[in-house]
Amino acid sequence: QVTLKESGPGILQPSQTLSLTCTFSGFSLSTYGMGVGWIRQPSGKGLEWLANIWWDDDKYYNPSLKNRLTISKDTSNNQAFLKITNVDTADTATYYCASIIRAYFDYWGQGVMVTVSS
Amino acid sequence: DVVMTQTPVSLSVSLGGQTSISCRSSQSLVHSDGNTYLYWYLQKPGQSPQLLIYKVSNRFSGVPDRFSGSGSGTDFTLKISRVEPEDLGVYYCYQGTHYPNTFGAGTKLELK
Repeated sequence: QVTLKESGPGILQPSQTLSLTCTFSGFSLSTYGMGVGWIRQPSGKGLEWLANIWWDDDKYYNPSLKNRLTISKDTSNNQAFLKITNVDTADTATYYCASIIRAYFDYWGQGVMVTVSS
Repeated sequence: DVVMTQTPVSLSVSLGGQTSISCRSSQSLVHSDGNTYLYWYLQKPGQSPQLLIYKVSNRFSGVPDRFSGSGSGTDFTLKISRVEPEDLGVYYCYQGTHYPNTFGAGTKLELK
């Protein structure tokens, strides 16, 4: 059974760095072909792809966030991470992590709400 | 970036009826490896999105055969037959062929 769960700070101030953790089970990021992606969704709006990380440590980012993203993984502890630097109110959203096992985003976490406010 | 255009924006359907959603990409989604990485997701109210269809036409585990995907190149369709109350929500297409990966804006399925 595959499960994923996101965790984060809940609220942070503009210009701070957002650090998110995805803790998963049921698959391993050391297995060939596996990956994890991060996707976000502002309240009442659509989905925006942010980044993917693969079993071989290959990483891909959405360039619309202008180099503010860093994705990483801890294979031993079954975790993936996303950092977003210099946040502002436009980064307020629910952030999801999702697995890439048989397909892109075949299993999703419940999401974590992040609010950027002064 | 590849733009994914979903139509219609919203859809009203009767229970037991049939409907379809279109997703068009601004460039071909055929990857150099021969696969077409086009996916469909459903986000039910208050829930995380869930995968319905992967690589154009393959139903994900547990997805009823009322859902079917088709298409090629830049033009894709999701068909839903015998609509049930649990099918209501927002449907998104997504392309994983080109980076940056991109989602469509969504199609909201409501009851008539």
